Parts: sequence; structure tokens; C-alpha cells
Amino acid sequence: GNSVTQMEGPVTLSEEAFLTINCTYTATGYPSLFWYVQYPGEGLQLLLKATKADDKGSNKGFEATYRKETTSFHLEKGSVQVSDSAVYFCALSGSEKLTFGTGTRLTIIP
Amino acid sequence: ETGVTQTPRHLVMGMTNKKSLKCEQHLGHNAMYWYKQSAKKPLELMFVYSLEERVENNSVPSRFSPECPNSSHLFLHLHTLQPEDSALYLCASSQATGPDYEQYFGPGTRLTVT
Repeated sequence: GNSVTQMEGPVTLSEEAFLTINCTYTATGYPSLFWYVQYPGEGLQLLLKATKADDKGSNKGFEATYRKETTSFHLEKGSVQVSDSAVYFCALSGSEKLTFGTGTRLTIIP
Repeated sequence: ETGVTQTPRHLVMGMTNKKSLKCEQHLGHNAMYWYKQSAKKPLELMFVYSLEERVENNSVPSRFSPECPNSSHLFLHLHTLQPEDSALYLCASSQATGPDYEQYFGPGTRLTVT
């Protein structure tokens, strides 16, 4: 079956640091890949997505590239801000549903 | 109100109680979902409704009973829960089911079973 593995947190960085959160997946077929973000006290929001190999999703300074050869979809941002503190979830789509990773808590300190 | 709303936001209940969680979406979507979010575990999809019909039930214990009276409302009825059912319960909606449709999530109900 489908599965998503993402790096365990928590991750703590200083403001303006470079961020990478690793995500790898196992899937049959050609899934779409997603990053969702959950800010404190809120539900999940779609951050970015990629629907086929070599696609790059981007939003709010975050990027992730769909790498079929390494089955990865790592999330990156060049310069993080305090407002980026949240929990980040990697996910892939099966035929009818999303399969999520366990989430990575990110804290940015000023 | 906009988006997906859930009530109550917090709920504490004993193992013999009966309670219900409510979800309402104001987006005109046709699909609605219940997820369970537990610490250090992936989100677990519990139920999927499309056009008010249940299309997926992921081996969820019968002490959880969903109801979808119309495409805007989704309930999760709870009875004789166990302490391990304590979690954040998230509702989501999408225009339709399938990987091409973004899911919009509510803020969740934090459930504690004592």
C-alpha cells in the first residue's frame, strides 16, 4: 500500500536559516504529492503540490520537487520567518484518498 | 462564516457518554471527510462521503458513527469511547473525491476521553 515517511521533528531554526524537511514515499502508480501546513489552533492548509515527476510546487517561498527516481518530495525554503512556525505534513494521493506522513513540527526563533 | 467550521472545539467525555461532533462547510463542496489526528501518527482517514453517500469506511470501530444529512453538514456520533480515542478530529471537504481536488480542513475538535 501507499505510505509516506517524513523526517521526525521537532525542528528548531533561527530566523533566516535555510529549511529542509525530508519526505519520501512508497506508492503504486503515479500519485500526486502534497505539502500541507497546520498553524497552531487551525486545520491543515494546502501549501503546495506537484502532480507528475520533475514538477516543482511552490508557494510562500517554499518549494518541493517531485523526484521519481528517489521517490522524494523534500520541502525547502531559503530564509524562514517566525511566522513559518507550524506543523508540516507530506502527503500523496491514491485513487480516492490522501495518505499523510506523521508531520514535522517546525519552530523558528527570532 | 466561511470555509469549514467544526463544533465544539474542545470536548471532554466519559467512556459511557454519548456526544456528537459537527462539521459544516460553506464552500459548496460535494465531498466531506473525517480524519483522526493522534500525536506522532499519520492522519488517519475515517470516513468519506460523496453527495451524502458514504464511499469509504476505513475499518473504524462501531463506537464511531458518521451521519451526512446533506452536502453541507457532517456529524460524528460518539458512544462508549475508550481513552485511546482521545485525539484531534478533523473534518475536511472537497469539490469532489479524487486526487485532483484540494481538501479544505476545519480547525478540528480536541477530544479527551476520561
